[in-house]
Amino acid sequence: AQSVTQLDSQVPVFEEAPVELRCNYSSSVSVYLFWYVQYPNQGLQLLLKYLSGSTLVKGINGFEAEFNKSQTSFHLRKPSVHISDTAEYFCAVSRTGGGNKLTFGTGTQLKVEL
Amino acid sequence: DTAVSQTPKYLVTQMGNDKSIKCEQNLGHDTMYWYKQDSKKFLKIMFSYNNKELIINETVPNRFSPKSPDKAHLNLHINSLELGDSAVYFCASSQNAGDYNEQFFGPGTRLTVL
Repeated sequence: AQSVTQLDSQVPVFEEAPVELRCNYSSSVSVYLFWYVQYPNQGLQLLLKYLSGSTLVKGINGFEAEFNKSQTSFHLRKPSVHISDTAEYFCAVSRTGGGNKLTFGTGTQLKVEL
Repeated sequence: DTAVSQTPKYLVTQMGNDKSIKCEQNLGHDTMYWYKQDSKKFLKIMFSYNNKELIINETVPNRFSPKSPDKAHLNLHINSLELGDSAVYFCASSQNAGDYNEQFFGPGTRLTVL
């Protein structure tokens, strides 16, 4: 079985500062990795995904994430955040042959302040 | 033009009642899902259908019954509602059940059981 850990439940940051949201996963088989964002009172939207190849993945809205197999991590970063980035961020994994079943972390609330 | 839509958006009901949530996608996708998001924002998959066939059925009470009349629709019927069923229910769809496919989420249905 897979599991996903997001250690930070809340991350406050000032506007234009950099941010990193941490995600670690556990799996006995190869996995695909995703970051989704949930704006208040909305559904989830895909930010980026890692399937294979280059370990640095770029997504929408200036976000990027780096896959680190040895540390089983997939941390999300943005060099300069905006107020509009305030949202809940979910890391998720799916495994080969799993029917695209996503296992989510518990989410990180990013709060961008002026 | 909403890609994945759910009705109703809010549902308030008494314990013991039976209710349904409807989901429709106009993306031409083969696979649809139901997720439950609890009060701590933890997301967990409940069911998945591929071409109207059930492919994922997590440990969910049998009071919950999904029904897929066609590829574009996946409804969720809940019998004998309990307080613990209060949550936000998200429908999602993906092109197919391949493990790397982006899932597109609906806006959610907030169910409150009194």
